[in-house]
Amino acid sequence: KAGVTQTPRYLIKTRGQQVTLSCSPISGHRSVSWYQQTPGQGLQFLFEYFSETQRNKGNFPGRFSGRQFSNSRSEMNVSTLELGDSALYLCASKAQAGINSDTQYFGPGTRLTVL
Amino acid sequence: AQRVTQPEKLLSVFKGAPVELKCNYSYSGSPELFWYVQYSRQRLQLLLRHISRESIKGFTADLNKGETSFHLKKPFAQEEDSAMYYCALSGPSGSRLTFGEGTQLTVNP
Repeated sequence: KAGVTQTPRYLIKTRGQQVTLSCSPISGHRSVSWYQQTPGQGLQFLFEYFSETQRNKGNFPGRFSGRQFSNSRSEMNVSTLELGDSALYLCASKAQAGINSDTQYFGPGTRLTVL
Repeated sequence: AQRVTQPEKLLSVFKGAPVELKCNYSYSGSPELFWYVQYSRQRLQLLLRHISRESIKGFTADLNKGETSFHLKKPFAQEEDSAMYYCALSGPSGSRLTFGEGTQLTVNP
């Protein structure tokens, strides 16, 4: 099976702009989670989507939002970008049942730089 | 609140030496514990999880509920083990991972 894919891999934006990141999960996986990775805060959970519904949400401001489509692909949006939003954004997918259903599989990430 | 602590940001050992990466956690309930690894220029990947009680690439980790620890051990480190290691926990479903800050392991020749 193909792994989790994320597009784009790199993005440069300026403060105040908005950005949309995309994630395609492993085929058959219906749970998609997003994480932010920064040198200062490490890996932090943003949110999880399952069957087009947000199932869990981390402690991030409302500028961070997401959605999931019927084919399980997910997008994450950040509005009114701030310098502190510069980070690697990781997407992870997970099966719902069966062996390894507790395991999250990560994509390569999207490196967002806010200038 | 759930929390994972990895006290060592950097750990350096020589090839063939034993290695132990420490992980302590706090969680109300029964967490699932994982070790993830990130090799240079590669994506984050699962190394092992406590529920499977298996050894991967010579690494083992035992969940000690009394000490709330999940230390990662390998008796003889190899140069290819050099990587960033993250301890993580979740609730029963495996969703919403809480990560430690990571330990950068360097195995010297």
